Amino acid sequence: EDQVTQSPEALRLQEGESSSLNCSYTVSGLRGLFWYRQDPGKGPEFLFTLYSAGEEKEKERLKATLTKKESFLHITAPKPEDSATYLCAVQAPSNTGKLIFGQGTTLQVKP
Amino acid sequence: EPEVTQTPSHQVTQMGQEVILRCVPISNHLYFYWYRQILGQKVEFLVSFYNNEISEKSEIFDDQFSVERPDGSNFTLKIRSTKLEDSAMYFCASSSQEGTQYFGPGTRLTVL
Repeated sequence: EDQVTQSPEALRLQEGESSSLNCSYTVSGLRGLFWYRQDPGKGPEFLFTLYSAGEEKEKERLKATLTKKESFLHITAPKPEDSATYLCAVQAPSNTGKLIFGQGTTLQVKP
Repeated sequence: EPEVTQTPSHQVTQMGQEVILRCVPISNHLYFYWYRQILGQKVEFLVSFYNNEISEKSEIFDDQFSVERPDGSNFTLKIRSTKLEDSAMYFCASSSQEGTQYFGPGTRLTVL
């Protein structure tokens, strides 16, 4: 069964304290892995798409990496405004675009 | 910057009533999706839609659910007879191809 597991469920950091979020996946044929940010009561906001192992994408303080079994979202010197839930999703092998989401990591960055 | 919009932002209904949730996808996108998120749970896929037909639907998307693209801009999700367990955030998403999906802000559905 296709599955996405994120860890940790919650993460508290001090401002400036770098860390990484993990997304482990099992899918019979990865068509794409996506990272989204979700603020409370809002829709997922697109961050990155990764397609193949070894690929890396960066945006401001965020960097996403991909291996054959997992993806990491590295947060360098986070700020309080980075506080949010970070969602990982994989695109199912069917060619219909269906996304399978993990349960998310809720990040709190304290000043 | 183009974005997906959804209306209403919050819908309160009585159990057994019909509701229609509306979405305006990004204008040049061809693939459309509905997802839902029950409070505190994962975002779950409901249905994908392309070329005026459903391309995939989940087990959740039973006969009480239907989708429609009534004109060139709107994409709707109808729930015929709502149940308490339909209470959730419903997100519409669109993509230009089977790649990155952009999500709307969601409709919070509360079934009493």
